[in-house]
Amino acid sequence: DVKVTQSSRYLVKRTGEKVFLECVQDMDHENMFWYRQDPGLGLRLIYFSYDVKMKEKGDIPEGYSVSREKKERFSLILESASTNQTSMYLCASSQGGGWGTEAFFGQGTRLTVV
Amino acid sequence: KNQVEQSPQSLIILEGKNCTLQCNYTVSPFSNLRWYKQDTGRGPVSLTIMTFSENTKSNGRYTATLDADTKQSSLHITASQLSDSASYICVVIMYNNNDMRFGAGTRLTVKP
Repeated sequence: DVKVTQSSRYLVKRTGEKVFLECVQDMDHENMFWYRQDPGLGLRLIYFSYDVKMKEKGDIPEGYSVSREKKERFSLILESASTNQTSMYLCASSQGGGWGTEAFFGQGTRLTVV
Repeated sequence: KNQVEQSPQSLIILEGKNCTLQCNYTVSPFSNLRWYKQDTGRGPVSLTIMTFSENTKSNGRYTATLDADTKQSSLHITASQLSDSASYICVVIMYNNNDMRFGAGTRLTVKP
């Protein structure tokens, strides 16, 4: 089975802190994604990557950056956390050949910025 | 405006009853549509995928339908169980760039 693992289930950070969210997948997938999920809004794409060292902005990249130094690992970085970044963050991966292939999700990280 | 609208936002039913969740989309051009189940505190897991040419697909007690002309999909759950309590998310994949568009989900609660 595909496994997508996010480093933390729950995080509490202070405003202005630099925050790292880590995601690792074990199925050699090319594509990796970071989403945030807020009530009533659904999942919104922050950044995605289709190869090592490659990254593309999604719908809401402001305030975030990403890093993909190795194929299996995709990190989301909040340079200076703000309260409006309090959310559930979901990482996903999928095989190459288009996003129409199934995306496998991690268990999510519930981030609270105080 | 979200291009994928789901209804109802939430639903409570008794164990053993059937229910139907709706998904309307304006995404175009359309490639395929997936229904995901998300248990509380977990990531979404794919239930079924509907391609342009498919009208109905079943996966156990789950039956998905698709009308590409009216841009509507439904997920019917038969003989509901307590373990069906979850959020159900409709995801539409665009044809040109395979972008995924997520609905906000329907929160289903099955009570004994």
